[in-house]
Amino acid sequence: EAQVTQNPRYLITVTGKKLTVTCSQNMNHEYMSWYRQDPGLGLRQIYYSMNVEVTDKGDVPEGYKVSRKEKRNFPLILESPSPNQTSLYFCASSWNEQFFGPGTRLTVL
Amino acid sequence: QKEVEQNSGPLSVPEGAIASLNCTYSDRVSQSFFWYRQYSGKSPELIMSIYSNGDKEDGRFTAQLNKASQYVSLLIRDSQPSDSATYLCAVNGGSQGNLIFGKGTKLSVKP
Repeated sequence: EAQVTQNPRYLITVTGKKLTVTCSQNMNHEYMSWYRQDPGLGLRQIYYSMNVEVTDKGDVPEGYKVSRKEKRNFPLILESPSPNQTSLYFCASSWNEQFFGPGTRLTVL
Repeated sequence: QKEVEQNSGPLSVPEGAIASLNCTYSDRVSQSFFWYRQYSGKSPELIMSIYSNGDKEDGRFTAQLNKASQYVSLLIRDSQPSDSATYLCAVNGGSQGNLIFGKGTKLSVKP
């Protein structure tokens, strides 16, 4: 089954404790993206990747890192999470049309 | 700053009616346009993509694009209560993979 998977689905953590949210796709898509979704602000792109080792900033990259060492994986790294990074995060992959993963609900205390 | 604007709603229509959702975008060079449906707490689901001026129909859904007016719309015919969701308009932001989303229009279809 073609899909985008994210792990974990839910995470509660504390300020400053490094975390990684994994994203994997099995559709051989070139492009992958990370978004956060907040009430009243909509979906905002954090980072996107056009291929292995090629990434670029989206609208809200501050406080996040990404890497694309393999085509299928695109992890999101929060080196020192802060409460304002509490949000619902989505990974997506695409050729032209983006397909979204199920989301990761992150709470930073 | 590239922007995508949608009326936040809520838009309420009776069952069986046509729901009309609108979207405007700021970047004249945008080439790809998408409509997503999102149920509360779920991930966005692609409904339609449109790349050239005019209408594109898929079942009960019709997307309309007018690049001169920088306007995209989605019509839902014979609306059903199951269509009640937030509809997100998305426009490519220049490079492929870079999508800019509107804040979404909440649609409520009343039985």
